Amino acid sequence: GDQVEQSPSALSLHEGTGSALRCNFTTTMRAVQWFQQNSRGSLINLFYLASGTKENGRLKSTFNSKESYSTLHIRDAQLEDSGTYFCAARLASSSFSKLVFGQGTSLSVVP
Amino acid sequence: ETAVFQTPNYHVTQVGNEVSFNCKQTLGHDTMYWYKQDSKKLLKIMFSYNNKQLIVNETVPRRFSPQSSDKAHLNLRIKSVEPEDSAVYLCASSYRGRYEQYFGPGTRLTVL
Repeated sequence: GDQVEQSPSALSLHEGTGSALRCNFTTTMRAVQWFQQNSRGSLINLFYLASGTKENGRLKSTFNSKESYSTLHIRDAQLEDSGTYFCAARLASSSFSKLVFGQGTSLSVVP
Repeated sequence: ETAVFQTPNYHVTQVGNEVSFNCKQTLGHDTMYWYKQDSKKLLKIMFSYNNKQLIVNETVPRRFSPQSSDKAHLNLRIKSVEPEDSAVYLCASSYRGRYEQYFGPGTRLTVL
């Protein structure tokens, strides 16, 4: 079965509001990455976490390996935040990483 | 500029043809990857190379073959493409296979 379950699959936000995306893992993960895929298809690195919380501007991400989840919080959403967001995790049992991706969250920020 | 570069951006071909995609990274990494993103945007690893050695080979058809000349280059060849090969192929790299992965812009393949 899927090792990374991402939710929600789609999200619509008004400018200036915020929300959280979540990934649940069905097995122990060593680290997690969050990406934004823009309209051109490029995967932009947002965060890499082996544990704890990181913040960058209006984005904040947490990885709790013990409870097997990670979150991405977006606050004060802007139109340019629209796109598809992916979490991807590295299995703890793997000495060399292969990322297992979530199904993605399609975010639409509207005026 | 240090990044992951892919060529071509797009490729349209017919069933049965052979195609080849190139990937180069200038980040000084020693591990490179190929991922496939399907029409539903699902991303899955295909191959991973560390210092020119194959270390991950997921269940992909035998018509797919990766080729690495050095740790900065990882190409992907597809012999006799099928319609289901239509997808975006993304190349990535990382240091020692353990840390943050960086992705190229992708190659979109359309098989008619």
